[in-house]
Amino acid sequence: ETGVTQSPTHLIKTRGQQVTLRCSSQSGHNTVSWYQQALGQGPQFIFQYYREEENGRGNFPPRFSGLQFPNYSSELNVNALELDDSALYLCARNPGRGGEETQYFGPGTRLLVL
Amino acid sequence: RKEVEQDPGPFNVPEGATVAFNCTYSNSASQSFFWYRQDCRKEPKLLMSVYSSGNEDGRFTAQLNRASQYISLLIRDSKLSDSATYLCVVGHNDMRFGAGTRLTVKP
Repeated sequence: ETGVTQSPTHLIKTRGQQVTLRCSSQSGHNTVSWYQQALGQGPQFIFQYYREEENGRGNFPPRFSGLQFPNYSSELNVNALELDDSALYLCARNPGRGGEETQYFGPGTRLLVL
Repeated sequence: RKEVEQDPGPFNVPEGATVAFNCTYSNSASQSFFWYRQDCRKEPKLLMSVYSSGNEDGRFTAQLNRASQYISLLIRDSKLSDSATYLCVVGHNDMRFGAGTRLTVKP
């Protein structure tokens, strides 16, 4: 429906490992945002990318990093995984800067850190 | 204080009931407001935007009070399919979500 896909759908890692999550959109959207949703909480803004550059960041440490590619797909990388990183990671497409519409989410990647 | 606070719930109501959710936000400069719905183990989906003049979409009515920094959602004639978690959202590019209020509509 939203045209946003994420991979993988589920992932299990151990503490200290690194993980890369991916997001793509059927049509080009030059703004993508990433969110972390812990169990029982609302999504928390991690960062946003606009035209391949970081365009805003929430209260997350530097071990959370991202990339956006010319085809507007995006990656979220998390280094040195901690148990508290276990969450649903959501990617959202924006209509672009200045747009009045809201964001539309992909189905998410569920990460479990053991 | 959290940026966006919602009624913790849960709300358990019978079919046909009217239920209201409340939300407050801390950033008085906020310009964009939304209600999202999230089903169990699914992604959040936009339910409706919230405008200063208030707006209605079928059985759903959203209100915004900028002076009180307060947002509400009213659901009339509740259906079983309305059972979900309702998320109050403030902001546009870096959206700030409340923790959500769980609604269960029972037969």
